[in-house]
Amino acid sequence: NAGVTQTPKFQVLKTGQSMTLQCAQDMNHEYMSWYRQDPGMGLRLIHYSVGAGITDQGEVPNGYNVSRSTTEDFPLRLLSAAPSQTSVYFCASSTWSSTDTQYFGPGTRLTVL
Amino acid sequence: AQKVTQAQTEISVVEKEDVTLDCVYETRDTTYYLFWYKQPPSGELVFLIRRNSFDEQNEISGRYSWNFQKSTSSFNFTITASQVVDSAVYFCALSEAEDSNYQLIWGAGTKLIIKP
Repeated sequence: NAGVTQTPKFQVLKTGQSMTLQCAQDMNHEYMSWYRQDPGMGLRLIHYSVGAGITDQGEVPNGYNVSRSTTEDFPLRLLSAAPSQTSVYFCASSTWSSTDTQYFGPGTRLTVL
Repeated sequence: AQKVTQAQTEISVVEKEDVTLDCVYETRDTTYYLFWYKQPPSGELVFLIRRNSFDEQNEISGRYSWNFQKSTSSFNFTITASQVVDSAVYFCALSEAEDSNYQLIWGAGTKLIIKP
C-alpha cells in the first residue's frame, strides 16, 4: 500500500515549457486535490476532483489543467511555465470530500527559470 | 467565506516547555471540520487531528492536546513537555460541509522551534 505517490520529486523548467506532474493513489479514494505551497503561506488549492471524470477549480487554477480519467490518477499539467509557478506542489486524496482526512504525497519541488 | 488565521508566525521554546499554537477560524456554516497537520523539516505533511463542529470535547493524544471553543471560533493545539522532534511547521485548516465547494482552507502555519 503506497498511499499517495508523486513524480518527479524535483523539476527545473524554463519559462514557456510545459510539463505534467504525476499523482497516483492506491486507496480507492474518490477525492483528489492539488495544492501549491509558497514560502510563508499555507497551502493553496489549485484543482480538485470528486471522482473520475469530475474536476473543478480551486483558489489558484490559472496556468494549470487537470483531468481525472481513472480513480487512481490525477495529473497536473502546467501549460506554459512561468517563474511565478516556482513552488512546492502537493497532491492529496481522501475518501469522499475535503471534509474527510486528506493524505498527502511527498511533494514536487518545481523551479521555473 | 471561510478563513483560517494562525497569528503566530514563529514560536521558539526550550525543550520540556509547554507550548500552545493558536488557530482562529471564520465560517458561516454550522457544520464544518477542522484539521491540524504537521510539516517537519523533511517537508512531508502529516495528519494530526480532524474534528467536526458538533464535537466540542477536548482531545488528548499523548503529549498533544486540542482545545475547541466554538464561542471564540478557536481550535488551539498544545504540546506538553515539548521535544526537539516537535520542531516543525504546524498548519490548521477548515472545510465547510454545508456548501459544496469541497475546499480545505489553510492557515499560513506556525513554525515551532524547540531548542535543546
